Amino acid sequence: NAGVTQTPKFRVLKTGQSMTLLCAQDMNHEYMYWYRQDPGMGLRLIHYSVGEGTTAKGEVPDGYNVSRLKKQNFLLGLESAAPSQTSVYFCASSPSGLSYEQYFGPGTRLTVT
Amino acid sequence: AQSVTQLDSQVPVFEEAPVELRCNYSSSVSVYLFWYVQYPNQGLQLLLKYLSGSTLVESINGFEAEFNKSQTSFHLRKPSVHISDTAEYFCAAYTGGFKTIFGAGTRLFVKA
Repeated sequence: NAGVTQTPKFRVLKTGQSMTLLCAQDMNHEYMYWYRQDPGMGLRLIHYSVGEGTTAKGEVPDGYNVSRLKKQNFLLGLESAAPSQTSVYFCASSPSGLSYEQYFGPGTRLTVT
Repeated sequence: AQSVTQLDSQVPVFEEAPVELRCNYSSSVSVYLFWYVQYPNQGLQLLLKYLSGSTLVESINGFEAEFNKSQTSFHLRKPSVHISDTAEYFCAAYTGGFKTIFGAGTRLFVKA
């Protein structure tokens, strides 16, 4: 069991470029989440999904899009990166009925210059 | 607004000394409470959780936390820390609706 994996681990973008972060989980979890972590602010929820084909907005969704075409994958897209999106991004997943029990990936460190 | 407040951003402590990391939550928040630990360059790992029942919860590596409803606190304690406990610790509260509120984190530095 790899648990929750994230690709890539590091990325540097120029302002205006686009990219997609991939999250994969092999635990057959129903729920998946994308967070960003900024110094002194803890983790903030960007988007989440309660099942294949569904997505919903979290606390800070602006500038991001997501897709959940397969149950095991949750993609986070930045269409036009901005320096304010420099952050560490974490994906998490939860089993059905236990949405409070989250398992986190190792994170992606994104720098936008 | 619902909130989780970690009262210390950094806590330096000597090895084998006791430590307490403080966490308060707003009273409107659900009483599902968590402590996560994040080691350098890694993701968050669940350390312990309070869902219901006994107000004192323990982890496998010697940490414990006590849910105090009257003081709306969920402080994390360890009677004797090790160098390997150096990490950032996050208090969190599940509010329902797939939303968890995280505190800003407390960096624990254990010195030899």
